[in-house]
Amino acid sequence: GNSVTQMEGPVTLSEEAFLTINCTYTATGYPSLFWYVQYPGEGLQLLLKATKADDKGSNKGFEATYRKETTSFHLEKGSVQVSDSAVYFCALAGYSTLTFGKGTMLLVSP
Amino acid sequence: EAGVVQSPRYKIIEKKQPVAFWCNPISGHNTLYWYLQNLGQGPELLIRYENEEAVDDSQLPKDRFSAERLKGVDSTLKIQPAELGDSAVYLCASSLDQSSYEQYFGPGTRLTVT
Repeated sequence: GNSVTQMEGPVTLSEEAFLTINCTYTATGYPSLFWYVQYPGEGLQLLLKATKADDKGSNKGFEATYRKETTSFHLEKGSVQVSDSAVYFCALAGYSTLTFGKGTMLLVSP
Repeated sequence: EAGVVQSPRYKIIEKKQPVAFWCNPISGHNTLYWYLQNLGQGPELLIRYENEEAVDDSQLPKDRFSAERLKGVDSTLKIQPAELGDSAVYLCASSLDQSSYEQYFGPGTRLTVT
């Protein structure tokens, strides 16, 4: 079956630091891939997506590239802000639904 | 545009009691999902509706959980009786249709069973 593996958190960074959150997946074929973000007390929000190999999804300074060779979809941001503190979920599409990773908490300090 | 609405936001009940959660999806969204999110975990699908039809309920524990989506709009998820292990966040999401994987989530209902 489909599965998503994310790096464990929390990831603790200072403001303006570079962020990488690793995500790898197991699936049949080439599913669409997503990053969702969950701020405290809120539901998940779609951050970015990629629908085919080598696609780069981007939004709000975050980027992720669909790498079929390494079955990865790592999330990156060049300069994080305190407001980016949240839990980030990697997900893949299949069987008419999404399979999520366990989430990675990001804590950014001033 | 209003987002996915869920109520209540928080619920505390004693074990063996019944509980119900309500969800109003984004207008025009035909597909509705209920997810279970345990602490420190990602959401796990419980049931998926296409309009009023439950098309995937394979992960729904049917001995105590039930769901309905009357008229293909609002949905209710019920647990009866609740167990301690049911303490979690119950998320509702919707999408335009089953071919769209862009799901929009509500804020969730945090259930605590004592």
